[in-house]
Amino acid sequence: SQQGEEDPQALSIQEGENATMNCSYKTSINNLQWYRQNSGRGLVHLILIRSNEREKHSGRLSVTLDTSKKSSSLLITASRAADTASYFCATDADAGNMLTFGGGTRLMVKP
Amino acid sequence: SQTIHQWPATLVQPVGSPLSLECTVEGTSNPNLYWYRQAAGRGLQLLFYSVGIGQISSEVPQNLSASRPQDRQFILSSKKLLLSDSGFYLCAWRHSRHTEAFFGQGTRLTVV
Repeated sequence: SQQGEEDPQALSIQEGENATMNCSYKTSINNLQWYRQNSGRGLVHLILIRSNEREKHSGRLSVTLDTSKKSSSLLITASRAADTASYFCATDADAGNMLTFGGGTRLMVKP
Repeated sequence: SQTIHQWPATLVQPVGSPLSLECTVEGTSNPNLYWYRQAAGRGLQLLFYSVGIGQISSEVPQNLSASRPQDRQFILSSKKLLLSDSGFYLCAWRHSRHTEAFFGQGTRLTVV
């Protein structure tokens, strides 16, 4: 089963614009993680935000977490063509060892 | 440093044939190990995970099974493949729960 659901499913923007992707989930979490996947490749971890954190930044990436709304957002500022990829959120439950992924957002950045 | 190896990269198998996909991790001990399947253009479906040798948790009862014969080896198997088993299979590891995961490069399985 998929815990996180990303929105939008696909996003197309011009280079230099900001890209925002959203993730909603259903159950209690310890942390929420964002990953990137280039076509036909494995996933690469981008950022992890714990349930007691509200914002986290890493370079051009910013993540917010609202546990009351059970939602998170990933912002990529000043996007580049190389940011073209699929982005997934993953929820890490408090109990157990499962890491559950959403359906992903396919981002296309046009040069 | 830690690395994860997953092979083969691509596989074409006839319906009814067996399957064995292998994943090994180097440079760490007692990792949590995961098998996911991804349909084209879709998200990741968690199939199995393991927190130790011989300990397998199954999330989706189906035509597949998993085994962990050694600490850093995770195997995904099937006795008889179905067309619906086609997909992109990803192995991942992490040090423990509540940490980041590291993925292999995946195996694209096509059942014909």
